[in-house]
Amino acid sequence: TQTVSQSDAHVTVFEGDSVELRCNYSYGGSIYLSWYIQHHGHGLQFLLKYYSGNPVVQGVNGFEAEFSKSDSSFHLRKASVHWSDSAVYFCAVSSNNNNAPRFGAGTKLSVKP
Amino acid sequence: NSKVIQTPRYLVKGQGQKAKMRCIPEKGHPVVFWYQQNKNNEFKFLINFQNQEVLQQIDMTEKRFSAECPSNSPCSLEIQSSEAGDSALYLCASRRDSSGNTLYFGEGSRLIVV
Repeated sequence: TQTVSQSDAHVTVFEGDSVELRCNYSYGGSIYLSWYIQHHGHGLQFLLKYYSGNPVVQGVNGFEAEFSKSDSSFHLRKASVHWSDSAVYFCAVSSNNNNAPRFGAGTKLSVKP
Repeated sequence: NSKVIQTPRYLVKGQGQKAKMRCIPEKGHPVVFWYQQNKNNEFKFLINFQNQEVLQQIDMTEKRFSAECPSNSPCSLEIQSSEAGDSALYLCASRRDSSGNTLYFGEGSRLIVV
């Protein structure tokens, strides 16, 4: 069974804090891993992705994520969050073919001033 | 700003009515996806196309939903007979190739079935 799990439904931090949003997956074969951000009432915007190579990938707005094959994880991190980072973050996994990416349940990040 | 254009942003339909949503994918992107996102933020894949051909679709889509991506016209997703459970945000996304590359999403069409 192919699954994507985001264990934290809601994460609250203060502006300037670091944050890690977790994503674990269960997939076979070669996969693409991605993170997307969704502000309330809008569509999703791409943040970053991993397929191969350096397990730490850099994305937009200071986000990075680290792939771990042993942990089956692709956690998203940011060293210092801003209030505008408040949104719902989705982890997505797809195989290297035409299969539709599967999305996690999302983690709502709230950044307090 | 999203280059995938979805219309309308909102539509309100009565049960049993048809509901039609349109999507113009990003230029040069032959692969188009439709997802349904419910109020709990859960995504359900509905159907995807490469150019005008259906690649995959779920069973629900085969029965009550119809979709197409004609050449030189917007893609569309239509619910033949709306049900209360169809109330959701319908997201269209496009991709430039057939691999697991980045999806570009539109702003979505929010359907409310009363």
